[in-house]
Amino acid sequence: QKEVEQNSGPLSVPEGAIASLNCTYSDRVSQSFFWYRQYSGKSPELIMSIYSNGDKEDGRFTAQLNKASQYVSLLIRDSQPSDSATYLCAGETNAGKSTFGDGTTLTVKP
Amino acid sequence: DADVTQTPRNRITKTGKRIMLECSQTKGHDRMYWYRQDPGLGLRLIYYSFDVKDINKGEISDGYSVSRQAQAKFSLSLESAIPNQTALYFCATGQGNQPQHFGDGTRLSIL
Repeated sequence: QKEVEQNSGPLSVPEGAIASLNCTYSDRVSQSFFWYRQYSGKSPELIMSIYSNGDKEDGRFTAQLNKASQYVSLLIRDSQPSDSATYLCAGETNAGKSTFGDGTTLTVKP
Repeated sequence: DADVTQTPRNRITKTGKRIMLECSQTKGHDRMYWYRQDPGLGLRLIYYSFDVKDINKGEISDGYSVSRQAQAKFSLSLESAIPNQTALYFCATGQGNQPQHFGDGTRLSIL
């Protein structure tokens, strides 16, 4: 079983809609959680960090963490074409290293 | 200047050659990582280091070796390159439970 699994994509939403990206994780992952955005051929860049249960909002982005269900999600409100990218979910393992999901590719259509 | 610098940015080489990819950082982070990424796939950890005297294998270390020459420098070597090592390679740094910071990547092609 992969330590971090992301919902299969690709995901396509119209401009202005809410995009919902989901991620589940195994018992070996229990610490910090991160969402990165990666444009094609570029390096991942951090979108959100979340460390405790609940919601964390930053502008159009909201991360949600539910440790009981081992579930973390990212909501993007008012999606823009510039949000089109691959989104990587990552969690820190008990050994202190990050483990990444395979990514979900989002396309926002004008 | 970039906080995490990878060299070279692109490399084309032949099967059997020895290749070194270098990574240096100015962030002062203790932790450094090497990942590879294949098209359509996520990041797979090759090696990681929590300090100069600490080197750990990741999930796909076979065929690779690393050297942590200093806190700021972490190099990845392919002793005898093979075509299925063609990929995009990223170096990253981290500190504690904070997010990682990535270099711009090295695109490696092995013919």
